[in-house]
Amino acid sequence: GQQVMQIPQYQHVQEGEDFTTYCNSSTTLSNIQWYKQRPGGHPVFLIQLVKSGEVKKQKRLTFQFGEAKKNSSLHITATQTTDVGTYFCAGPRETSGSRLTFGEGTQLTVNP
Amino acid sequence: EPEVTQTPSHQVTQMGQEVILRCVPISNHLYFYWYRQILGQKVEFLVSFYNNEISEKSEIFDDQFSVERPDGSNFTLKIRSTKLEDSAMYFCASSRDSRTGLRQYFGPGTRLTVT
Repeated sequence: GQQVMQIPQYQHVQEGEDFTTYCNSSTTLSNIQWYKQRPGGHPVFLIQLVKSGEVKKQKRLTFQFGEAKKNSSLHITATQTTDVGTYFCAGPRETSGSRLTFGEGTQLTVNP
Repeated sequence: EPEVTQTPSHQVTQMGQEVILRCVPISNHLYFYWYRQILGQKVEFLVSFYNNEISEKSEIFDDQFSVERPDGSNFTLKIRSTKLEDSAMYFCASSRDSRTGLRQYFGPGTRLTVT
């Protein structure tokens, strides 16, 4: 079945440092979605990328979707303590319905 | 922003008991989902529901699980005979329709603890 993999599993940074998490799917995705989950919280939608090679920015966050629509990345510039949480990528299969397959997530901790 | 709500926030039950987890999706949404997240692990798809029937289900969603939309607002997940390994956070989600790629709105979750 479809697998979505993320690396790294954990990332510890000092406040002000940059952070990147990478996502790879075993199958082509019609789109990729990114979610953030704070400790004890629920997944909160951040963004969706649809087009091959698409790049989107949200303030300090930059999201990329690969040309083959099988990989994606999230980059945070100058992390802040409010960025703490687990970042998940998720995507439906291109030929399937809307069920989301989530990656394992990258847990980010930011030391002040 | 519209919200999905879930009750209860925490459910403790004994192994073998039946539990019903409740969700109120966003009012104009038509597509509903249940996901679960075992502590420290990723979010896993269980089932999707559209037009009063199951649209898709995963291998996790076996005969012990069922879903229902008993009225115009609630969406429930029933586990008939709970097992220890059913302990997890259960998230309900909804989207406006069935088109692939529409944003899914997640509820706050129900923490199920099976003892």
